[in-house]
Amino acid sequence: KAGVTQTPRYLIKTRGQQVTLSCSPISGHRSVSWYQQTPGQGLQFLFEYFSETQRNKGNFPGRFSGRQFSNSRSEMNVSTLELGDSALYLCASSLGGEPYEQYFGPGTRLTVT
Amino acid sequence: AQSVTQLGSHVSVSEGALVLLRCNYSSSVPPYLFWYVQYPNQGLQLLLKYTSAATLVKGINGFEAEFKKSETSFHLTKPSAHMSDAAEYFCAFYSGNTGKLIFGQGTTLQVKP
Repeated sequence: KAGVTQTPRYLIKTRGQQVTLSCSPISGHRSVSWYQQTPGQGLQFLFEYFSETQRNKGNFPGRFSGRQFSNSRSEMNVSTLELGDSALYLCASSLGGEPYEQYFGPGTRLTVT
Repeated sequence: AQSVTQLGSHVSVSEGALVLLRCNYSSSVPPYLFWYVQYPNQGLQLLLKYTSAATLVKGINGFEAEFKKSETSFHLTKPSAHMSDAAEYFCAFYSGNTGKLIFGQGTTLQVKP
């Protein structure tokens, strides 16, 4: 099976702009979760989508949003970018139930200048 | 509160030596525990998982971990380190309440020739 894919792999944006990141899960996986990874804060959960519905949400401002399509592909959007949004954004897919193991994509490296 | 603590942000071993990476969790319910590895500029790769079937769990690349409920620990070991094991390792706990993986801060493993 093909793994989780994320596009683009690298992005450079300017403060105030918005960005959309894409994630294609492993075939058959219905759950997609997004994480932000930074040196200072480590890995932090953004949100999870299951069958096109946001099922769980982390403690991030409303500038961070997402959606999931009927084919389980997911997009994450960040509006009004801030310098602190520079991070590696990881997408993970899973079946959505036990045993809850998640499989990660290679990530999108976002740099905000 | 549910949490994961990895003791030691940096561990250095010689090639061929035993690898021991420590992880302790805090949870009021039986946990689902995972170890992931991250190589530079890559996503996270699942090494192994504990889902209550067996306390000693074997994973990929010769790694294994033992779940000890009395010590609330899930330490990762490998009998003989290889240069290719140099990477960052994350212990994670699945939180059923929030539907997310809670990660430790990570341990960087250095393998010296």
